[in-house]
Amino acid sequence: DAGVIQSPRHEVTEMGQEVTLRCKPISGHDYLFWYRQTMMRGLELLIYFNNNVPIDDSGMPEDRFSAKMPNASFSTLKIQPSEPRDSAVYFCASSPGQIQETQYFGPGTRLLVL
Amino acid sequence: ILNVEQSPQSLHVQEGDSTNFTCSFPSSNFYALHWYRWETAKSPEALFVMTLNGDEKKKGRISATLNTKEGYSYLYIKGSQPEDSATYLCALTSYDKVIFGPGTSLSVIP
Repeated sequence: DAGVIQSPRHEVTEMGQEVTLRCKPISGHDYLFWYRQTMMRGLELLIYFNNNVPIDDSGMPEDRFSAKMPNASFSTLKIQPSEPRDSAVYFCASSPGQIQETQYFGPGTRLLVL
Repeated sequence: ILNVEQSPQSLHVQEGDSTNFTCSFPSSNFYALHWYRWETAKSPEALFVMTLNGDEKKKGRISATLNTKEGYSYLYIKGSQPEDSATYLCALTSYDKVIFGPGTSLSVIP
């Protein structure tokens, strides 16, 4: 298996632009997680899905952030409009059948908002 | 509110030294405790998942223990090597939450 795939790996954009991050989980995994890593706050859970349904989005910073999972093999995290404080590394992870199982992380997307 | 704490925040040891660090968590609503190893510029990788009080897991020179009644887990590294340098994260899973601790940054000096 190729593992969790994220794209793009790097994104540089200007403040106010829309940014879309993509994730393909490991095939057969029921859970998908979006995280943000910053120096100040470490690794933060933004949202997670179970069988394509959002379960907990309490970590989503504000309305500028939205996430979707239209099918079992694809998820997006969108920021509109982007701001410099959104600059961070965004990780996607997936896990098999139960929330307490090990998560497998993608390589991350490094986002820089100028 | 679930809060996971780790100590120390950072640690510098000499090659060959053994070391350990702590993850503390609220003992209620506990489902599982995970340890991840996170090297700079890479993604977190799973080390262990533990679910039962008294669990002990071992992988090579690294081992972990779990005490769910008092709400802590220890990670031990025996004979530290430079390649052990990384941030070690613990994560608590309850029935609907995943909370990561802030991590312990380990530097092993050759």
